[in-house]
Amino acid sequence: GQQVMQIPQYQHVQEGEDFTTYCNSSTTLSNIQWYKQRPGGHPVFLIQLVKSGEVKKQKRLTFQFGEAKKNSSLHITATQTTDVGTYFCAGGGNTNAGKSTFGDGTTLTVKP
Amino acid sequence: SQTIHQWPATLVQPVGSPLSLECTVEGTSNPNLYWYRQAAGRGLQLLFYSVGIGQISSEVPQNLSASRPQDRQFILSSKKLLLSDSGFYLCAGGQGWTGELFFGEGSRLTVL
Repeated sequence: GQQVMQIPQYQHVQEGEDFTTYCNSSTTLSNIQWYKQRPGGHPVFLIQLVKSGEVKKQKRLTFQFGEAKKNSSLHITATQTTDVGTYFCAGGGNTNAGKSTFGDGTTLTVKP
Repeated sequence: SQTIHQWPATLVQPVGSPLSLECTVEGTSNPNLYWYRQAAGRGLQLLFYSVGIGQISSEVPQNLSASRPQDRQFILSSKKLLLSDSGFYLCAGGQGWTGELFFGEGSRLTVL
């Protein structure tokens, strides 16, 4: 079945440093979503990428979808303490019901 | 957008006791609904999904069951809980092929 691997598992940065998490799928994806989960909270949708090579930006966050639609990345520029949490990618296959396979997430801690 | 209501937020249950977690959806009709379980520090494991009333698909063999008695109601149940059922359960809703999921605030289950 489809597997989605996410690295690194943990990332500790000093406030102001950049942060990147990578997501790799064993199969070609129809789309990929990114979610953020604050400690003790629930995942919140950030963005969805659909097109090969797509790049989207949300303020300090940059999301990329690979040309082969098998990998993706989330880059945060100049991290802030409000960025702490776990970032998940979720790869959508081509099956019905829009099922997505989640990676295990990257937990970001930011030292002020 | 849709809003997912989920309860109870926390519960502590003895081994062998029954379980019922409930989820309701506002702001949309005929959503795809999902139950996920999240182990500590891990990603989301899809347990069940439903594309309509009475239609349930199970993703993994387990001690749990799901039901969808109404369009915007999704229930997760167990007749006899096991220690391994402990975890953070999340209900989510989505529309068709968009892939974007809206999550409830989660139910933290501890089985003792």
